[in-house]
Order: sequence, then structure tokens, then C-alpha cells
Amino acid sequence: DAGVIQSPRHEVTEMGQEVTLRCKPISGHDYLFWYRQTMMRGLELLIYFNNNVPIDDSGMPEDRFSAKMPNASFSTLKIQPSEPRDSAVYFCASSPGGEWGGNQPQHFGDGTRLSIL
Amino acid sequence: KNQVEQSPQSLIILEGKNCTLQCNYTVSPFSNLRWYKQDTGRGPVSLTIMTFSENTKSNGRYTATLDADTKQSSLHITASQLSDSASYICVVSSPRGSTLGRLYFGRGTQLTVWP
Repeated sequence: DAGVIQSPRHEVTEMGQEVTLRCKPISGHDYLFWYRQTMMRGLELLIYFNNNVPIDDSGMPEDRFSAKMPNASFSTLKIQPSEPRDSAVYFCASSPGGEWGGNQPQHFGDGTRLSIL
Repeated sequence: KNQVEQSPQSLIILEGKNCTLQCNYTVSPFSNLRWYKQDTGRGPVSLTIMTFSENTKSNGRYTATLDADTKQSSLHITASQLSDSASYICVVSSPRGSTLGRLYFGRGTQLTVWP
């Protein structure tokens, strides 16, 4: 079975440009999560969706960040305008249905390594 | 403040040896504790998930323990292999309805296994 698929794997762009990261979760998974990972701060949860609806976006650092999930098989994380401090690895993860915080593991994609010059 | 602290920050062991990684947390209320393995350049992969009532869970050569009273967990790796070289991340979950159902992440332990 295909796992969580993220694209692109690497993105290098200049400060001020719009960046769009894409994620295809595992089919049948009801939860989708976006994370950011840096050396300084480790893994941080940015936002998560349940059945395509954003549930908690309190981890989104600024209004420059936005995330959408138009259907069960696709989500985007957008940064506009991008800044050098946004450079990080961004992960998408999905998990099966069930109560949040339950015993279902999250399945991570391999991430998008984003560099803002 | 809810926190998750992992130790050691890094660890080097010889192939075939055992090792134990530690995770201490102050998160409350508590829902579950997860250990993830993250290979370089890859996403984290779930090793174990333990709830309040579980104190031991194994996944092959990996055994996690949980003491909910002292808020400590450990991950024991038996007969280490070169492929165990990775970062091991401890994640503690709070239940929905409190603190917006957040996940609390440790900074990870970087394990290197030498031949």
C-alpha cells in the first residue's frame, strides 16, 4: 500500500515567494496533520484536520501560513510570503479514524525540505 | 508547563550491544505516549504507543516501558544493529477537550550504532 505522499521533496525559493507544499494521505485515514521540524525546535504540530475539516490550527506560526484540505485525498500547506526563517522540513502525517489521542499510530510522509534564500 | 525531556541527547554504541533511552514528561492530563524512529532524511515511523494502563510494550527488539506515576518512559533496544542508527522521538498526547488536544514532542535521542 502507498504511504503518505508529499511533494515536492525539496524546494528552494527566494524570500517573498509563495510556497505550496502538497500531501496525499493514506486512503481511508480520517486525520491529517502538518508538522514542521527544525534543528532548533524539533518537531512541531502546525495544524490538523479531521474529515477534511481543520480542527486545531493553533500551531500555525503566523498568518502567512495557511492549510487546506479540499477533499479526503489531498491537502496543501501554503506560505505567502515566505521568509528565510521558514526554512525547515515539513511533514504531513495521517492516521485512521478514532478518538484523537487514541491508540492509532500516525503515518508520516518523507517530508519536504524547504529552503528560503 | 507541559514538557517532554529526552536523554541522552546522543548515544554511540557498538553493534550487538543493548541500550536504553529515557523520556520524562510533565504533560497532564495524559492520554498516551508514543515512541518514533526517524531515519535520516525520512519521516518518523511509529514504534510503540502506550496508554495510561500499559507499562510495557514490545515491537521486535524494541521494548518500551511506562511509569505513569513518575511520568517516565524508556525505550530499550536489544542486540543493536547498524540499521538502528536513527533519531528516537518521544511524543506525549493530551486528550481532546484539554489544551486543544495537543501533542508534546521530545527533542529526540540521536543513536549511532558502530560496527
